[in-house]
Amino acid sequence: QQQVKQSPQSLIVQKGGIPIINCAYENTAFDYFPWYQQFPGKGPALLIAIRPDVSEKKEGRFTISFNKSAKQFSLHIMDSQPGDSATYFCAASIGGNNRKLIWGLGTSLAVNP
Amino acid sequence: DTGVSQDPRHKITKRGQNVTFRCDPISEHNRLYWYRQTLGQGPEFLTYFQNEAQLEKSRLLSDRFSAERPKGSFSTLEIQRTEQGDSAMYLCASSWGLAGDYEQYFGPGTRLTVT
Repeated sequence: QQQVKQSPQSLIVQKGGIPIINCAYENTAFDYFPWYQQFPGKGPALLIAIRPDVSEKKEGRFTISFNKSAKQFSLHIMDSQPGDSATYFCAASIGGNNRKLIWGLGTSLAVNP
Repeated sequence: DTGVSQDPRHKITKRGQNVTFRCDPISEHNRLYWYRQTLGQGPEFLTYFQNEAQLEKSRLLSDRFSAERPKGSFSTLEIQRTEQGDSAMYLCASSWGLAGDYEQYFGPGTRLTVT
């Protein structure tokens, strides 16, 4: 049972385009939603994260949009560059002491020059 | 380098052998996590430490797996009697753990191949 559903599985855009990656969840106890970027052979790197009390957060070229009622959140990458080509994961965690992350299956992004 | 480090980066072992991985978290972080990632999948939670206490273990962590964090600093993950299904990337992450501070920072991972 996939608690965090991510789409699309893969995405190809041209340089300067705005790829959008979507995630949906069912568990309303989730209260923290990070996005990670992973290059081949490397560990995931935290990009940006959001809490459910805000609907949008921007950091540089990365924006998270959050829709609490729809239980969906998405990552937008503005002015995408070939160096952004990587796998992107959404994740979620539940309030409490542990904070273990529940992950989506990932989106492989290719930005063509 | 003040990030999370893991050793070794790659390990090839024969089925039935024991292996041990090490993780050094960011020095002031009191929370440490182990995850496993197979090709084309997102990471899956294995276990979690707060300081030296192991507070949660996933059902994925069979009795062949053991993890320790003896002094609340570095951690080790041991797999006994390895099986081919254990082949994966083993990721370690750490976080500060103060109220409201949830960010987990990951190491580069240890890639295990069981032949």
